[in-house]
Amino acid sequence: DIVLTQSPALAVSLGQRATISCKTNQNVDYYGNSYMHWYQQKPGQQPKLLIYLASNLASGIPARFSGRGSGTDFTLTIDPVEADDTATYYCQQSRNLWTFGGGTKLELK
Amino acid sequence: EVQLVETGGGLVQPGRSLKLSCVASGFTFNNYWMSWTRQAPGKGLEWVASITNSGGSTYYPDSVKGRFTISRDNAQNTLYLQMNSLRSEDTATYYCTREERITMMVLIPFDYWGQGVMVTVSS
Repeated sequence: DIVLTQSPALAVSLGQRATISCKTNQNVDYYGNSYMHWYQQKPGQQPKLLIYLASNLASGIPARFSGRGSGTDFTLTIDPVEADDTATYYCQQSRNLWTFGGGTKLELK
Repeated sequence: EVQLVETGGGLVQPGRSLKLSCVASGFTFNNYWMSWTRQAPGKGLEWVASITNSGGSTYYPDSVKGRFTISRDNAQNTLYLQMNSLRSEDTATYYCTREERITMMVLIPFDYWGQGVMVTVSS
């Protein structure tokens, strides 16, 4: 099984950059694609797709969100952070079945 | 407008069965792989099952394999999840999601989610 590890929480100031990491125990690259995706979930709401295949912005997502990485190390960056970005962020791999990370709760300082 | 509407949740005793449904609209249902993902109260997301667009292949994690069955009716634009031998740890909100397979290697995962349906397993 592919296990995804995220830090439980991150606190940043408004207008600053937030970098959320996700590490996998196996390579999730295959034929030039990294099968890593990112979601945002606010309390009481369903998750929302932000980034797919490591670095592709999903439809309707502002360019403040970006993703990068390959192999086993990936990051989601929010720059600049706005108040509305307080949420829990999940990474997900689909290289071998589907698995989610434990989530990172983003809070404002 | 893409819509995924789940129904069928509720309170069920351990060991009993429950069947969830997800009615899809606003897109060509038989072009998309479909999945169920769940979230226990206060916990993270857990993928539960997926099915190819034709229904010819299904996938499960070990936690539900042999107990849950995903299926679809493309004529009715409906996705199902049959849950048998339910346990207390199956208590969660269950979400229906879609995945677009653009090519064999390129996909857009879980871009739409339903509002979720609560399943509570308790005596």
